[in-house]
Amino acid sequence: GAGVSQSPSNKVTEKGKDVELRCDPISGHTALYWYRQRLGQGLEFLIYFQGNSAPDKSGLPSDRFSAERTGESVSTLTIQRTQQEDSAVYLCASSLGGLGFYEQYFGPGTRLTVT
Amino acid sequence: AQSVAQPEDQVNVAEGNPLTVKCTYSVSGNPYLFWYVQYPNRGLQFLLKYITGDNLVKGSYGFEAEFNKSQTSFHLKKPSALVSDSALYFCAVRDIPSSNDYKLSFGAGTTVTVRA
Repeated sequence: GAGVSQSPSNKVTEKGKDVELRCDPISGHTALYWYRQRLGQGLEFLIYFQGNSAPDKSGLPSDRFSAERTGESVSTLTIQRTQQEDSAVYLCASSLGGLGFYEQYFGPGTRLTVT
Repeated sequence: AQSVAQPEDQVNVAEGNPLTVKCTYSVSGNPYLFWYVQYPNRGLQFLLKYITGDNLVKGSYGFEAEFNKSQTSFHLKKPSALVSDSALYFCAVRDIPSSNDYKLSFGAGTTVTVRA
């Protein structure tokens, strides 16, 4: 079956511009996660959606970052007024549910470069 | 609070030799433990997990891991490494019970290089 897809795969933007990253989770997966992976580092949790519950935004690094999810499908991560430190790979993952024992399935990521 | 450490940035082994990637964790309760692998230019793939039961868990591509509660470790092993196992490996932990038990904490990753 289809896995998690993300678009674009690469994005180069100028400092100060806004960017929007898209994630299509696996059909039927109610939980969706966004992570940031800086070069040579582990994954940094950003935000979590589970069904119709209020999202956990505790990992968003600043108010320039926001995310939305339509029902249990597509999610978009928006970064406003991008800064060079925002350059990273942004990974989306989905899982069958929000309980801790479900493994997450990851998309290929969006590589963001802010010049 | 939950955290995970991968003490080795890099592991180099010859093809056919045993491969071990180390992981230790810290939780306040009991852990759920996961291993993921990231091949070059590809997303993270799930390898295996420990939830409960048998301390030795088997996963994809011939990998296995042993949960050791007394040593708070969850080392990943493969008896005979292949060149195609060269990748970046991440250990992850979830603390249970927790109100935020969906949150996964990842290690910094270990780069495995298997030479022919």
